[in-house]
Amino acid sequence: RKEVEQDPGPFNVPEGATVAFNCTYSNSASQSFFWYRQDCRKEPKLLMSVYSSGNEDGRFTAQLNRASQYISLLIRDSKLSDSATYLCVVTLSGGYNKLIFGAGTRLAVHP
Amino acid sequence: GAGVSQSPSNKVTEKGKDVELRCDPISGHTALYWYRQSLGQGLEFLIYFQGNSAPDKSGLPSDRFSAERTGGSVSTLTIQRTQQEDSAVYLCASSRVGETQYFGPGTRLLVL
Repeated sequence: RKEVEQDPGPFNVPEGATVAFNCTYSNSASQSFFWYRQDCRKEPKLLMSVYSSGNEDGRFTAQLNRASQYISLLIRDSKLSDSATYLCVVTLSGGYNKLIFGAGTRLAVHP
Repeated sequence: GAGVSQSPSNKVTEKGKDVELRCDPISGHTALYWYRQSLGQGLEFLIYFQGNSAPDKSGLPSDRFSAERTGGSVSTLTIQRTQQEDSAVYLCASSRVGETQYFGPGTRLLVL
């Protein structure tokens, strides 16, 4: 079983739509949680950290459910520029920031 | 300021040859990581350097893979006797300890 699992998609949505991605992680010792964004043939970039209380950054909202070991990302009012692959990432406790990546969920926003 | 840089950006090699990939981290970042992204796969941790501590090599897939970090700055990842399954994008990241990792643009390696 993969340590971090995501639906690969693609999610094809029209501009203005709301879209949600989920991710599950297998290790209950996971400590930190992130969403990264990766554009085609580019390096991953941090989109946002995910906190137990939930957090929002503009049109993006992230949630963490430790009991169920899943993480979500909600994108409201989708823009064409949101088209990318969204990577769910965790780190384990007791160590440095070794990032454990999911394979990513592809989002395509169309006019 | 300057980000993480990697070279070469693309490398095509023949099976059985050795390759060296280079990473220049962001100045002042003491932590440096190598990851690998195979086609359609998630990023896979390879190795971690932190200051003068012994590196964590737990992610290296075989003894054909090795890495060095000289002077606490530049790092090289060496793959000996390359195989076709080594074809991937090799990404380097750097950070201050416990802070956000910043990735370089990667080296695309193709083993024929």
